[in-house]
Amino acid sequence: DTGVSQNPRHKITKRGQNVTFRCDPISEHNRLYWYRQTLGQGPEFLTYFQNEAQLEKSRLLSDRFSAERPKGSFSTLEIQRTEQGDSAMYLCASSLGPGLDTEAFFGQGTRLTVV
Amino acid sequence: KNQVEQSPQSLIILEGKNCTLQCNYTVSPFSNLRWYKQDTGRGPVSLTIMTFSENTKSNGRYTATLDADTKQSSLHITASQLSDSASYICVVVTGGGNKLTFGTGTQLKVEL
Repeated sequence: DTGVSQNPRHKITKRGQNVTFRCDPISEHNRLYWYRQTLGQGPEFLTYFQNEAQLEKSRLLSDRFSAERPKGSFSTLEIQRTEQGDSAMYLCASSLGPGLDTEAFFGQGTRLTVV
Repeated sequence: KNQVEQSPQSLIILEGKNCTLQCNYTVSPFSNLRWYKQDTGRGPVSLTIMTFSENTKSNGRYTATLDADTKQSSLHITASQLSDSASYICVVVTGGGNKLTFGTGTQLKVEL
């Protein structure tokens, strides 16, 4: 499978626990994006990387959230001290460069449920 | 206030019928506009990408239009199929392709 891969697909955690999600982008895609989607809403931008550099972070990305892309390939998104409001689908996307019409390909998402 | 607004919020049509979904946006500066299809519990899949200079783009039974002056776009689905049942999301790309701003989507259900 050469698409964007996200793991795990589902995660149930107790409030206050830390969770980490992984995203493997399409090979050689230098742009990687994280989005959060709640039920009935469109995805909301969280952050994006150009290779290993994190170039922009949304105000939605509180200090409990941290994202890394250490070698410019896969990325991880960690949420510390989870809250019930963190329950959402976390989507990762990758693209080949910042061209105006460069397509972004999305993974299947990780659905987080905080109980 | 969402910078990308879509209508209707939901729509039910009979198989074989056509439908048109609307998107109005205020976000700027504009780079391009995309329509995505998202099946329940899955990631969005791109249908069309249109830059400022493009007015119409087709992808099979999907035809998207763009009026950059009025900041409106539409997605027309022809001869709908049951498999078209999904959420259709309008996305405006800004910042030279750096940021995607999503609408809340139109939930389409195609019935027999």
